[in-house]
Order: sequence, then C-alpha cells, then structure tokens
Amino acid sequence: IQLTQSPSSLSASVGDRVTITCRASQGISSYLAWYQQKPGKAPKVLIYVASTLQSGVPSRFSGSGSGTDFTLTISSLQPEDFATYYCQQLKSYPLTFGGGTKVEIK
Amino acid sequence: EVQLVESGGGLVQPGGSLRLSCAASGFTFSTYWMSWVRQAPGKGLEWLASIKQDGSEKYYVDSVKGRFTISRDNAKKSLSLQMNSLRAEDTAVYYCAWGNNAFDIWGQGTMVTVSS
Repeated sequence: IQLTQSPSSLSASVGDRVTITCRASQGISSYLAWYQQKPGKAPKVLIYVASTLQSGVPSRFSGSGSGTDFTLTISSLQPEDFATYYCQQLKSYPLTFGGGTKVEIK
Repeated sequence: EVQLVESGGGLVQPGGSLRLSCAASGFTFSTYWMSWVRQAPGKGLEWLASIKQDGSEKYYVDSVKGRFTISRDNAKKSLSLQMNSLRAEDTAVYYCAWGNNAFDIWGQGTMVTVSS
C-alpha cells in the first residue's frame, strides 16, 4: 500500500493553520498514524487510528479521514512544530510510510 | 520508564554483515510485536521488519528479504536484526520501535554505514 503525502514541504508562520494530506493507494480503514520528527531525533507519534490523539500531544494537533484520504491539521502553528511529518499505514504488511512533509518557517 | 536502546551499528564493507540489538525496558516485552525502521541520510522513514510476540510470524520489506533476519529473545527482553550482504544503500540510522496501534516508542537509533 503506497502512501502519498502532500505537500512535500510548506512554509508557514507561527499561528497559521496547517493541513497535511495523506492518500493511500487502497483502503486502509482507519489504520493510519501520524508522526513528527525533528532533526537528529527519533519520530514521535502524534495521532493513531487516524484521529486519536496520543497522550501528551497538544490538542492543536488533530487527524481525520478513513479509507484512502487522511488529514493532519495543526490549528495554530507553534515554534516547536517546525519539523517533518510522516503518515504510516498499519493495515497490512509491508507497513509503509508516506514520503514526509517538511514544515518550515516562513 | 519505557525505553528502547539500540546498539551494534558501525562501518562495514559492502557484502559484509552486522548484527543490531535493541534492549527493551519498562514494559512487558513478550506481549508486543516489535519492529525495525531505518532512515537513510536526508531521506524518509522505511519500515523494515516486524516480529510477533512469540517469534512465530515475521514480515519484511522486499528490499531486505533474504538478507536481513529479525529475531527476539523474550527472556532477555532483546530484539535483533541480523544484516547480511550489506549494500551501500543500506546506509542509514536504524531504529527499533514498539507500540499497540502505532509505533509509540522508538529507540535513539544506531548508525550503519556501508562503505569501502
């Protein structure tokens, strides 16, 4: 199952609303997770089963979607949110990640 | 505290072998699937392999099938990745990961460089 993320990069300002999309090549129900990765660090899970916020993750992060189309939204971008974001499908093996979306400071 | 600590990375020549280890603590290791993920320099994440709780099921990405072997020792709370016939394109940071509905916990990663 291929995951296509868009955009591959974006520039945004603090306070902006940011939306990242992830499209699966076939239906994966809600078996989708979103990760944030900062340079030199391991990824950190933000959202699982498409819309469930991981414990400790700020509520400005939200996820939606099912089937083939998914969205990660950051309602008000904060300085610490500048990072690369990945989606991952856990519906079937081989597990796959999207190509990533780099969120940069405008 | 739940923790995963990888070790075993380093510089290896093309065609060589390396064995990575991942030491787990802070959770009941034997009750969870475990996985390996890698990230080549400047590139995205690539899932490599996963192993069932008792080791009876293993899955691999095509690019490493037949060359890499995932295994676990529940008594030692340890996950391993035996890597043979290494290629330049295997150069990456290798992470072990654990979780229920996603990869909740990741190790810090161990760097593998394949070069002559």
